[in-house]
Amino acid sequence: GENVEQHPSTLSVQEGDSAVIKCTYSDSASNYFPWYKQELGKRPQLIIDIRSNVGEKKDQRIAVTLNKTAKHFSLHITETQPEDSAVYFCAASLRSTALIFGKGTTLSVSS
Amino acid sequence: NAGVTQTPKFRVLKTGQSMTLLCAQDMNHEYMYWYRQDPGMGLRLIHYSVGEGTTAKGEVPDGYNVSRLKKQNFLLGLESAAPSQTSVYFCASKGQGETQYFGPGTRLLVL
Repeated sequence: GENVEQHPSTLSVQEGDSAVIKCTYSDSASNYFPWYKQELGKRPQLIIDIRSNVGEKKDQRIAVTLNKTAKHFSLHITETQPEDSAVYFCAASLRSTALIFGKGTTLSVSS
Repeated sequence: NAGVTQTPKFRVLKTGQSMTLLCAQDMNHEYMYWYRQDPGMGLRLIHYSVGEGTTAKGEVPDGYNVSRLKKQNFLLGLESAAPSQTSVYFCASKGQGETQYFGPGTRLLVL
């Protein structure tokens, strides 16, 4: 079955710096890759996603890149702000029905 | 439009007791999912359903049963709770698009 690896597990940056989180997946049939943000005590919420027919997608300060050949995708956050502090999860879609998640990255942005 | 709701919010069980977690969605979504979230482990898929009357196993199904008798409800049952099932349980639902919408979570403590 699908396996998703996520790195790093923790990431600390200064406000205004960029943050990059990387994920790899094992099933070449996976075709949908979302990123979720989870604040402490809250539910995960989708922040951006990408499909396998696209190499890059951007939404304001957040971007995601996908390399299908290498089976990895990355989340890029520019000009980080304290409110970006949260746990971020990547995921890959298994047969377009279920998501398999990475173990998460705790991002801390200090001002 | 409440989205995805979960009942109860918090529960304490003794080892060997049984309980049912209820997930309800009012978005007419076909797909529903149960995940558990443990520190450092991310979100792991327990069971899911692709439509009323159907269920399928996810990554960690042992010790759990599910039922989808009505399209809007997805029940997660623990027949004989064990301390290893102490976790935060999230339900999610998805329509014909790719985005999964999460409920607020249920915190379960098994003593």
